[in-house]
Amino acid sequence: GDSVTQMEGPVTLSEEAFLTINCTYTATGYPSLFWYVQYPGEGLQLLLKATKADDKGSNKGFEATYRKETTSFHLEKGSVQVSDSAVYFCALSDRTQGGSEKLVFGKGTKLTVNP
Amino acid sequence: EPEVTQTPSHQVTQMGQEVILRCVPISNHLYFYWYRQILGQKVEFLVSFYNNEISEKSEIFDDQFSVERPDGSNFTLKIRSTKLEDSAMYFCASANYEQYFGPGTRLTVT
Repeated sequence: GDSVTQMEGPVTLSEEAFLTINCTYTATGYPSLFWYVQYPGEGLQLLLKATKADDKGSNKGFEATYRKETTSFHLEKGSVQVSDSAVYFCALSDRTQGGSEKLVFGKGTKLTVNP
Repeated sequence: EPEVTQTPSHQVTQMGQEVILRCVPISNHLYFYWYRQILGQKVEFLVSFYNNEISEKSEIFDDQFSVERPDGSNFTLKIRSTKLEDSAMYFCASANYEQYFGPGTRLTVT
């Protein structure tokens, strides 16, 4: 079945450092790809998404590019802030299923940014 | 901004007891979901619900689980006879296109 593998955490960075969180996927169809973020005590929030190959999703300074040839969707940010400390989840949905399009998640990567 | 809410935030129950986890989805959404995350593991899909019936369920969602939308606003997940391995964070989500998640209910089975 479909699956998502993302970089194990935790990741600890200093403020203004460059962030990469790796994510690769396997899917039988042509999935849509997502990054969700979970701040402490809150639910999962959609950070960005991409629905086809070479699409770049971006939001709040974060970016990820849908790479079909490497089945990857790595999350990057050029300069992290303390407020970016959270757990980040890579996910896919198989659009060929239609209807409910459940999400398949990676394990999550906890990011801590120190001042 | 509308949001998905879940109650309780933490539920402790004894093995074999029934629990009901409650969710209030965003009011104009049509699709509803339950996911769970066992500590340290992936967020896993349990079930999706559309037009007052289950549209898809995972192999985790066995006969011990049921979902209901009893009054057109709440969306509940019932576990009939809890097991130790049901201890997890349970997330509700609702959608028309993009899925919006609630903050989760932490279920601890002792």
